[in-house]
Amino acid sequence: SQQGEEDPQALSIQEGENATMNCSYKTSINNLQWYRQNSGRGLVHLILIRSNEREKHSGRLRVTLDTSKKSSSLLITASRAADTASYFCARTFGNEKLTFGTGTRLTIIP
Amino acid sequence: SAVISQKPSRDICQRGTSLTIQCQVDSQVTMMFWYRQQPGQSLTLIATANQGSEATYESGFVIDKFPISRPNLTFSTLTVSNMSPEDSSIYLCSAQGGDRGSLDTQYFGPGTRLTVL
Repeated sequence: SQQGEEDPQALSIQEGENATMNCSYKTSINNLQWYRQNSGRGLVHLILIRSNEREKHSGRLRVTLDTSKKSSSLLITASRAADTASYFCARTFGNEKLTFGTGTRLTIIP
Repeated sequence: SAVISQKPSRDICQRGTSLTIQCQVDSQVTMMFWYRQQPGQSLTLIATANQGSEATYESGFVIDKFPISRPNLTFSTLTVSNMSPEDSSIYLCSAQGGDRGSLDTQYFGPGTRLTVL
């Protein structure tokens, strides 16, 4: 499959804890992006990391990229109930098309 | 970033009928895309909507089933034709590039939730 694989498929944590999601892929990339989707609605773009970058931060989000291992991780620190959502990684290579991973369903327990 | 709206937000349709979904962007964009998300699944690209020419379809999707129009740089439609229950999904449009969009980032509409009975 061209899709990336994300793990875990589902994650439940207590509010205030950190959540880590991982994304693996099989081919080369130009960049890798993370999106959030609340309850089957539209996707919200969170962060983009380019193939020559190793780490990026945005607020409580931290994304790392290891091109040698073909993997990326998304860390959400100090989680909140509003972070409950599905999180998808998506990669591009060679053109503008996005290839999405399988997604991680995150539940924050108040 | 560009703001994208879709109509309708949801619909329940009968088998054998067709539904046209509209996607409107609040600024001119370079590229527009249509995705399908089946229940509990990830997103699959249906096609790239090309302005002024035929859409470019991904493997497994054909124009007769999913005709797409893009008459200008801010608007596109996707029609789901001769629907069956297997077409029940969320359909999302996205946009990239242009006046207020990044060349690298796709922004998504809120989606259209389609149920076929």
